[in-house]
Amino acid sequence: AQSVTQPDIHITVSEGASLELRCNYSYGATPYLFWYVQSPGQGLQLLLKYFSGDTLVQGIKGFEAEFKRSQSSFNLRKPSVHWSDAAEYFCAVQGGTIKAAGNKLTFGGGTRVLVKP
Amino acid sequence: DAGVIQSPRHEVTEMGQEVTLRCKPISGHDYLFWYRQTMMRGLELLIYFNNNVPIDDSGMPEDRFSAKMPNASFSTLKIQPSEPRDSAVYFCASTPRGSGYGYTFGSGTRLTVV
Repeated sequence: AQSVTQPDIHITVSEGASLELRCNYSYGATPYLFWYVQSPGQGLQLLLKYFSGDTLVQGIKGFEAEFKRSQSSFNLRKPSVHWSDAAEYFCAVQGGTIKAAGNKLTFGGGTRVLVKP
Repeated sequence: DAGVIQSPRHEVTEMGQEVTLRCKPISGHDYLFWYRQTMMRGLELLIYFNNNVPIDDSGMPEDRFSAKMPNASFSTLKIQPSEPRDSAVYFCASTPRGSGYGYTFGSGTRLTVV
C-alpha cells in the first residue's frame, strides 16, 4: 500500500526567507507525486506534479520540488516566501503503472506554513 | 471552465437528520472522488466513481453514508441519519483520467452536526 509522510506539522518562516517542506513516500515502483496547497476555507489547489524525466519540477507560484528516488522523497521548495504563501501544504502519491486508471491519490497529513512579517 | 462545483458551502443540521451534499464535476472528467477532511484523520477518500459507476467505496465509514452518480454531471453524498462525529469538510474532486493528471478539487462543504 502507498503512503505519504510529512514530518513537519507546522513551519514558521519569515517573509522573504526560503522554505522547504519535506515529503517522504512509500510505494513499490515509481509513483506519480503531487503537491497541493490549501488556503483557509478553500479547496486544494495543485502546485506541481512529477511523473518521470527531470527530477526537478517547476510549479505555480514560484514553487519547485525535487524527486529523489534513493531517499523516497519529494521535497517542496520556494526561494523567497510571500505572506500569501501562508497555507497548508499536502504531498500526495498515486500509483504510476500504465493500468493505473482509478488509482487512489493518497495524501500526507499536511504541513501548515505560517509566515512572519 | 467553472471547475468542480459543490453545494452547499456550509451545512448545519441536527443529529438524526438527513444531509445531502452535491457535486458537479468538470465536464469531460471520467472520475469523481469524495473526500472527507478532519483535524484528527486528515484527508480520507470515501468513494470514487468511473463513468458514473462506483468503483471503490471501501472508505465509506458506515451504512449511514451513501453516494450516487446518476449522470456524468452530478453526484450526491448522503448521510442518514447524521451524527456529530460526521462534522467535517467534504470535498469532491474530478480528473480526466485515473492517474497522473492530479485531481481538481471543489471548494468543499463544511458540515456541522449539532
